[in-house]
Amino acid sequence: GNSVTQMEGPVTLSEEAFLTINCTYTATGYPSLFWYVQYPGEGLQLLLKATKADDKGSNKGFEATYRKETTSFHLEKGSVQVSDSAVYFCALSDRGNAGKSTFGDGTTLTVKP
Amino acid sequence: NAGVMQNPRHLVRRRGQEARLRCSPMKGHSHVYWYRQLPEEGLKFMVYLQKENIIDESGMPKERFSAEFPKEGPSILRIQQVVRGDSAAYFCASSPSTGDEQYFGPGTRLTVT
Repeated sequence: GNSVTQMEGPVTLSEEAFLTINCTYTATGYPSLFWYVQYPGEGLQLLLKATKADDKGSNKGFEATYRKETTSFHLEKGSVQVSDSAVYFCALSDRGNAGKSTFGDGTTLTVKP
Repeated sequence: NAGVMQNPRHLVRRRGQEARLRCSPMKGHSHVYWYRQLPEEGLKFMVYLQKENIIDESGMPKERFSAEFPKEGPSILRIQQVVRGDSAAYFCASSPSTGDEQYFGPGTRLTVT
């Protein structure tokens, strides 16, 4: 079956530091890949997505590139802010599997001033 | 354009009672997903429905749990004879079609006393 493995947290960074959260996946077909963010007490929000190999998703300074050869979709940001503190989820959606989505376990990011 | 709506936001039930969680998807979305999130844990898929049909219920416990998405009205996740282990945040998400990104509601936090 499909699976998503993401970097274990928690991750603690100082403001303006560089962020990488690793995500690798296993899928039988050609999935779409997503990063979602969850702020305390809220539901998940889509952060960015990529639907095919070599696509780069970007939003709010975050980026991730769909790498088919390494089955990865690592999340990066050049300079984090305190307001980026949240839980980040990597996910895939497999159209060939009735569109079922598979989520990673989430990585908690805390950014300190 | 209202987002995904869930109610109630907080629900307290005693052991043995029934819990009914409601989800109204975004306008135009016919695909609904339910997830459970335990404290400090990731998001676990429960069930995927498309108007009046259950597409995938592989993540839902066989007993006490049921879900429906009628032709008219919200999707309902029903938990009968709740136990303390059912205490969690339950999130609903919707999408316009198979494999697209999902739009999440704010969640219902169920507490079983």
